[in-house]
Amino acid sequence: DQQVKQNSPSLSVQEGRISILNCDYTNSMFDYFLWYKKYPAEGPTFLISISSIKDKNEDGRFTVFLNKSAKHLSLHIVPSQPGDSAVYFCAATSGTYKYIFGTGTRLKVLA
Amino acid sequence: DVKVTQSSRYLVKRTGEKVFLECVQDMDHENMFWYRQDPGLGLRLIYFSYDVKMKEKGDIPEGYSVSREKKERFSLILESASTNQTSMYLCASSLLGRTGDYGYTFGSGTRLTVV
Repeated sequence: DQQVKQNSPSLSVQEGRISILNCDYTNSMFDYFLWYKKYPAEGPTFLISISSIKDKNEDGRFTVFLNKSAKHLSLHIVPSQPGDSAVYFCAATSGTYKYIFGTGTRLKVLA
Repeated sequence: DVKVTQSSRYLVKRTGEKVFLECVQDMDHENMFWYRQDPGLGLRLIYFSYDVKMKEKGDIPEGYSVSREKKERFSLILESASTNQTSMYLCASSLLGRTGDYGYTFGSGTRLTVV
């Protein structure tokens, strides 16, 4: 049972435009969410997080939105750059040290 | 900077071999994890450990075992490698309890090919 889902395996966006990556979850006990970015042949690196007490968190070009009623979060990248091309994973936890990861979305930013 | 170091970036092993994947972290983290990453399946937890000599099965432990004799080192063992264990293996570590803002710190991964 996939508790964290990323339904779009891939996304292509023109440089300079907005990239929107989506993530849905089923467990209402999840209270903390993260996005990781992964380049080929490297480990995932932390990108941005959000607590369930917030509905938005912003860090430079990256913004994460959380809609608790819909059990949905999204990552917005504005403007998108070619260096943003990577696989993005969302992850969620319910107050423990164990995170549940989504299946990932491969973003390709076209120059 | 927290560092999680995986001993090999690329490995090629034969079917039936016993394979050891090593992971070392230098930030005194209590928790350590082994994941495998496969296309379309994301990151799947194999085993994790929250203390020396303590381990718990993750979602896909079959065919694997682990060893944690020292706090900084967590080893993944493929008892008898099979071709369906060809994958990218990722080690991660974190503090005990809530992980704060950053979740896990991952190593660079080991790309294992079993032939």
